[in-house]
Amino acid sequence: AQSVAQPEDQVNVAEGNPLTVKCTYSVSGNPYLFWYVQYPNRGLQFLLKYITGDNLVKGSYGFEAEFNKSQTSFHLKKPSALVSDSALYFCAVRYTDSWGKLQFGAGTQVVVTP
Amino acid sequence: DGGITQSPKYLFRKEGQNVTLSCEQNLNHDAMYWYRQDPGQGLRLIYYSQIVNDFQKGDIAEGYSVSREKKESFPLTVTSAQKNPTAFYLCASSIPGQGGGYTFGSGTRLTVV
Repeated sequence: AQSVAQPEDQVNVAEGNPLTVKCTYSVSGNPYLFWYVQYPNRGLQFLLKYITGDNLVKGSYGFEAEFNKSQTSFHLKKPSALVSDSALYFCAVRYTDSWGKLQFGAGTQVVVTP
Repeated sequence: DGGITQSPKYLFRKEGQNVTLSCEQNLNHDAMYWYRQDPGQGLRLIYYSQIVNDFQKGDIAEGYSVSREKKESFPLTVTSAQKNPTAFYLCASSIPGQGGGYTFGSGTRLTVV
């Protein structure tokens, strides 16, 4: 079985400050991990993924994520947040019995204030 | 441009009615998925399909049905057996077996009136 947890319902950050959105996972074998972003009443947009290789993954819109196998974490980061980064962020892990199904965390609302 | 189209954007259903949500993709993706989104619960998998004429139940399939007669289309029917259908429904597609992620549609918001 696999699971993914996002421990924070909401993250508040001032514009220009670093942004971190936390994600931990539980999966047997090597994990496939993803981050998506959702704006109100829209579908999810892909930000980045970790399959293998370098633990620091760079993605869209200046976001990056760090894979930490010992802590089973995949935290999303951005060095300097923008007001336009305010959105709902989802972490996802691929089902272990699957060729492509993803299991999503509950989501973290990011609020960036000017 | 390639993408996924969901329609309608908003849908109202009377209790006891079946309604069908449309999902069409022109990405030539083999796999398609339906998720339900409720506040604070993330996305939950309803049904998925790897290839035409084949589909599998996800984690919350009760009260829903699907068909996959064409590669491009994966409609979802919310039946009267679904006791709490009010939610935001998202369709997605992918190339199965690879490390790629999903491409999502813009969603359909279903409300029971």
